[in-house]
Amino acid sequence: AQSVTQPDIHITVSEGASLELRCNYSYGATPYLFWYVQSPGQGLQLLLKYFSGDTLVQGIKGFEAEFKRSQSSFNLRKPSVHWSDAAEYFCAVEPEAAGNKLTFGGGTRVLVKP
Amino acid sequence: NAGVTQTPKFRILKIGQSMTLQCAQDMNHNYMYWYRQDPGMGLKLIYYSVGAGITDKGEVPNGYNVSRSTTEDFPLRLELAAPSQTSVYFCASSAESRNQPQHFGDGTRLSIL
Repeated sequence: AQSVTQPDIHITVSEGASLELRCNYSYGATPYLFWYVQSPGQGLQLLLKYFSGDTLVQGIKGFEAEFKRSQSSFNLRKPSVHWSDAAEYFCAVEPEAAGNKLTFGGGTRVLVKP
Repeated sequence: NAGVTQTPKFRILKIGQSMTLQCAQDMNHNYMYWYRQDPGMGLKLIYYSVGAGITDKGEVPNGYNVSRSTTEDFPLRLELAAPSQTSVYFCASSAESRNQPQHFGDGTRLSIL
């Protein structure tokens, strides 16, 4: 079955440390890939997206993500986490024939320790 | 610079009551979506619309109805509220091209008691 998996439900990281959030998908062809962030009580904000080309994409707030076709993965990274990065992060995919419809992973909640 | 506006932000309903969740966007987007977010489950698509007068079911449409009489508005209706519909509801909109991201409202937190 087609799915999006974020294996880590919670991650706790110290301020200033690096962060990596995992995302794996199972679709036949390479879908369009997105990372969204949700702060408490807010809607989702787009961090970055991948459609084609360079497999390392840069986003807002210092985030980047790397698409690895061989691993069906699209992991999100940030070299140095700030306290304001505490939020929930969602990976989403738009399959080729889905017509702009997104399928979301279950989300990863990030806690930042001082 | 409003984007996607959802009302109300919070609501408590009794079982069997009905209500309409409002969603409006000012970006002239043809595509609009309704999602529900349950803890640990990510977002699930309820209904979507590709333009005024056109709607279609998503992954979890049972118990809901939508209409799209204008480009700007996409209300979601619950006819007979059930406890299973306790959730946070998000409306989103996007331009037509596949490479255009969805823009989300701040959500409506709905409790059915």
